[in-house]
Amino acid sequence: GENVEQHPSTLSVQEGDSAVIKCTYSDSASNYFPWYKQELGKRPQLIIDIRSNVGEKKDQRIAVTLNKTAKHFSLHITETQPEDSAVYFCAANTGGFKTIFGAGTRLFVKA
Amino acid sequence: EADIYQTPRYLVIGTGKKITLECSQTMGHDKMYWYQQDPGMELHLIHYSYGVNSTEKGDLSSESTVSRIRTEHFPLTLESARPSHTSQYLCASSEAPTGDNEQFFGPGTRLTVL
Repeated sequence: GENVEQHPSTLSVQEGDSAVIKCTYSDSASNYFPWYKQELGKRPQLIIDIRSNVGEKKDQRIAVTLNKTAKHFSLHITETQPEDSAVYFCAANTGGFKTIFGAGTRLFVKA
Repeated sequence: EADIYQTPRYLVIGTGKKITLECSQTMGHDKMYWYQQDPGMELHLIHYSYGVNSTEKGDLSSESTVSRIRTEHFPLTLESARPSHTSQYLCASSEAPTGDNEQFFGPGTRLTVL
């Protein structure tokens, strides 16, 4: 079955620096890759997603890149701010019933 | 406002008790899910439903059961709670009949079994 690996598990950056979180997936049939942000004590919320027919998508300070050949995708956050501190989950879906989540990356942005 | 609701938000109970965690959504979604998550850790799918009268088990073995009698309601029941059930339970829903769409999560129920 599908497996999603996410790295690093913890990431600490200075405010204003960039943060990059990487994920790899195993099922080449995966075609939908969402990223969720979960702040402390809150519910996960979608921040950006990408489908397999595009290689990159950007929304203000957040961007996601997808390399289908290598089966990996990455989240890029530029000009990080303290409110970016949270746990970030990548995920992959083949269009079927299950979305497989990565183990999460705990991002700390130091002011 | 369309949203997904969970009650109770916090629950502390003794071993052996039967409990039901409630989940309701006013988003009109057909697909609903239950995840188990230790705070800030990995999400484990325990149950999902395609629609009314449809329920399936997820990847994580769970001693819980679910029902889907109404589109908007997807309760999860533990017949006999144990300390190993202590965790956070997140309910979610999505619009599409397939999985390639955003999931909307509820606020979660934090369960502690003594």
